[in-house]
Amino acid sequence: EADIYQTPRYLVIGTGKKITLECSQTMGHDKMYWYQQDPGMELHLIHYSYGVNSTEKGDLSSESTVSRIRTEHFPLTLESARPSHTSQYLCASSESRGGGGNQPQHFGDGTRLSIL
Amino acid sequence: AQKITQTQPGMFVQEKEAVTLDCTYDTSDPSYGLFWYKQPSSGEMIFLIYQGSYDQQNATEGRYSLNFQKARKSANLVISASQLGDSAMYFCAMRDNNAGNMLTFGGGTRLMVKP
Repeated sequence: EADIYQTPRYLVIGTGKKITLECSQTMGHDKMYWYQQDPGMELHLIHYSYGVNSTEKGDLSSESTVSRIRTEHFPLTLESARPSHTSQYLCASSESRGGGGNQPQHFGDGTRLSIL
Repeated sequence: AQKITQTQPGMFVQEKEAVTLDCTYDTSDPSYGLFWYKQPSSGEMIFLIYQGSYDQQNATEGRYSLNFQKARKSANLVISASQLGDSAMYFCAMRDNNAGNMLTFGGGTRLMVKP
């Protein structure tokens, strides 16, 4: 059973606000990821991390930023939210054991973000 | 060119029947992995099954099996004895070294199980 948690589950907030989406995992996984997904569409990788103090941008350009100060925690921040940021954000983690090639990514329940 | 293609945007299946969800992929890397995930309407992504490019046998996991045809670059998901709870979006994903070992997802197939 995967233990990865995202909060909040839903967020409706006004334009211009600073937002932090939380993601924590208790499995000790080195690798963590953030995806953005519009309803009924594919997932797009926006950020990933291979370990503490390691963060990289993904395939899809995003105005969000991430940090990885602790292994278990990988928050995503939007400094000034806009309606174009409305989407679902999914956090995931995976093991590095054996190179990690056959290890699935375990996902949190996601945060559905609506910017008014 | 798309790396992962799921050509069926939506499918219906009668309860208790089997259904096949198609997935084709494109990679020049001889070492890769293929994953299937289920996403119910609640939004979470649930890992179902994995197939490695060097695996000799098709992967199976309970009612899920993977019809892996390497020469055709296809990795179709077969769900046997469909249940109402199988109604969801299903995503095929590939991990290869060309993408820095990241997952690339297909566009998904929405499966609807009829009672």
